[in-house]
Amino acid sequence: QKEVEQDPGPLSVPEGAIVSLNCTYSNSAFQYFMWYRQYSRKGPELLMYTYSSGNKEDGRFTAQVDKSSKYISLFIRDSQPSDSATYLCAMIYNRDDKIIFGKGTRLHILP
Amino acid sequence: NAGVTQTPKFQVLKTGQSMTLQCAQDMNHNSMYWYRQDPGMGLRLIYYSASEGTTDKGEVPNGYNVSRLNKREFSLRLESAAPSQTSVYFCASREPSLKNIQYFGAGTRLSVL
Repeated sequence: QKEVEQDPGPLSVPEGAIVSLNCTYSNSAFQYFMWYRQYSRKGPELLMYTYSSGNKEDGRFTAQVDKSSKYISLFIRDSQPSDSATYLCAMIYNRDDKIIFGKGTRLHILP
Repeated sequence: NAGVTQTPKFQVLKTGQSMTLQCAQDMNHNSMYWYRQDPGMGLRLIYYSASEGTTDKGEVPNGYNVSRLNKREFSLRLESAAPSQTSVYFCASREPSLKNIQYFGAGTRLSVL
């Protein structure tokens, strides 16, 4: 079983819909959880960062961590065509470790 | 503030040719990384450097060498390119704080014919 599992998509939703992107992980030692957004032909950029279980909100984006289920989610409210990108989940055991990335989910927001 | 700069942006090589991918960061980060990204495979770590003067292998180091020239620069060398090394290569550097934010360059698209 891979350390981090992420559905590659593509996921197509109409503009204005709520988007839910998810990752599961196998090792309960992961402590830090991140979501990166990658536009076509660009490098990934950090979108959200969480340390503990629970929700973290930033504008239209909400990151959710459920450590008991080893499951993290990213919700996008009022989705826009500009949100069309690949979203990669990422996590690390502790501050000094290498980041483990999911394979990314391609998201298309249809105007 | 340029962040992480990679050169070249595109490159086409013939099998057996060599080349060096350059990466420089201006954020005074200690840690730097080289990844390759292939369809369906996600980001795979090739090599990383936790600090100036140190380098370590990642998940897929075979066929590559690296040099941490100084704190700013971390280069990736393909000594004898193979078609299997056709990929998009990303360099990244990491912020030394609790948040551990990793910043990526724009990538180098490499085709090996």
